[in-house]
Amino acid sequence: EAEVAQSPRYKITEKSQAVAFWCDPISGHATLYWYRQILGQGPELLVQFQDESVVDDSQLPKDRFSAERLKGVDSTLKIQPAELGDSAMYLCASRARERDADTQYFGPGTRLTVL
Amino acid sequence: GQSLEQPSEVTAVEGAIVQINCTYQTSGFYGLSWYQQHDGGAPTFLSYNALDGLEETGRFSSFLSRSDSYGYLLLQELQMKDSASYFCAVRGLDYGQNFVFGPGTRLSVLP
Repeated sequence: EAEVAQSPRYKITEKSQAVAFWCDPISGHATLYWYRQILGQGPELLVQFQDESVVDDSQLPKDRFSAERLKGVDSTLKIQPAELGDSAMYLCASRARERDADTQYFGPGTRLTVL
Repeated sequence: GQSLEQPSEVTAVEGAIVQINCTYQTSGFYGLSWYQQHDGGAPTFLSYNALDGLEETGRFSSFLSRSDSYGYLLLQELQMKDSASYFCAVRGLDYGQNFVFGPGTRLSVLP
């Protein structure tokens, strides 16, 4: 069964450092999401891509966060500089263009700890 | 915009039936989804209601009433492995048609 891949699974960094997360969605899925999930809360959308285009990044803290999906396949989320409050689980999800339109498939996530 | 509310915790015993409620305020949405998340794991899709009524998938059922702005997830024949957090989510009709998740309900299944 196809899965969403993410790496790394865990990342520990010091504040003010740069970190990057990678996501490879299920093949053929046009829509890709990056979410941030704080322990005990629901996932919160950071950015949505449709193919290579950003559809919604209204909740992305653009002063320090950036995301790209250059060829409309895999995606990278970057934080620079990292702050203590960025410690969270970063989840990537993908969704088919038409089929299962309301079903998202999540990757295993990257657990970020900022010291 | 959208906002969803869920009870923070629910406890039940093995073999029992439990209902997890979700109330929402939304300017419009396609449907109500439910996701399960075990500790340290990723959310996995459980069920989806586009229309009012009950959807059944094995031991799990989900219900939606748009007129009451209310939905629930029903878990039957509870097993220890059902201990997890459960999230309801809606996909809005507004720009981006993005998903908004509820705060989650932590289900503890006791032996």
